[in-house]
Amino acid sequence: EAQVTQNPRYLITVTGKKLTVTCSQNMNHEYMSWYRQDPGLGLRQIYYSMNVEVTDKGDVPEGYKVSRKEKRNFPLILESPSPNQTSLYFCASSLSVQGLMEIGYEQYFGPGTRLTVT
Amino acid sequence: AQKITQTQPGMFVQEKEAVTLDCTYDTSDQSYGLFWYKQPSSGEMIFLIYQGSYDEQNATEGRYSLNFQKARKSANLVISASQLGDSAMYFCAMSPASGGSYIPTFGRGTSLIVHP
Repeated sequence: EAQVTQNPRYLITVTGKKLTVTCSQNMNHEYMSWYRQDPGLGLRQIYYSMNVEVTDKGDVPEGYKVSRKEKRNFPLILESPSPNQTSLYFCASSLSVQGLMEIGYEQYFGPGTRLTVT
Repeated sequence: AQKITQTQPGMFVQEKEAVTLDCTYDTSDQSYGLFWYKQPSSGEMIFLIYQGSYDEQNATEGRYSLNFQKARKSANLVISASQLGDSAMYFCAMSPASGGSYIPTFGRGTSLIVHP
């Protein structure tokens, strides 16, 4: 089954304790991205990757890191989480950035990770 | 910079009736794509429909259609024959189709409640 998986689905942590949220897709997609969703703000992109070893900042990258060492995986790293990073996080993938932008290939979203930083 | 505006925080509709969810956008790009996603209470994001800026016909996918008015920069979602399972948050989104920015922009969403 084609899917995007994220782990963990729920996480409660404390300020400053490094954490990683994993994201994996099995569709051989080139384009992957991370979003955060906050009430009343919709989704905002944190980072995206157009292919292996190619990543770039989205709208709200501060406090986050990513890496794309393999095509299927795109982990999100919070080196020193703070309470303002409490949010619902989505990983998404699409066949290619050209497909996403020009042909309308939709993004496939993971199930979401609800993060609480106390 | 792109901007998506969804002016209806909440909408109510009777089962089996049609409903229109509004979306206006602002962009200086000539080429772009418009998307609608559904987010039920379970939280996942579900792709519904896509419209390219150069598509002359309005997109349709089953009970979903996109009323695209380019001059007015609007991309409203029309759901025909609403069902109880249509109750969800709906997000309008836009992606540039060219240039150096590959960052989709999402609206703040509209909550739709379908009454029996």
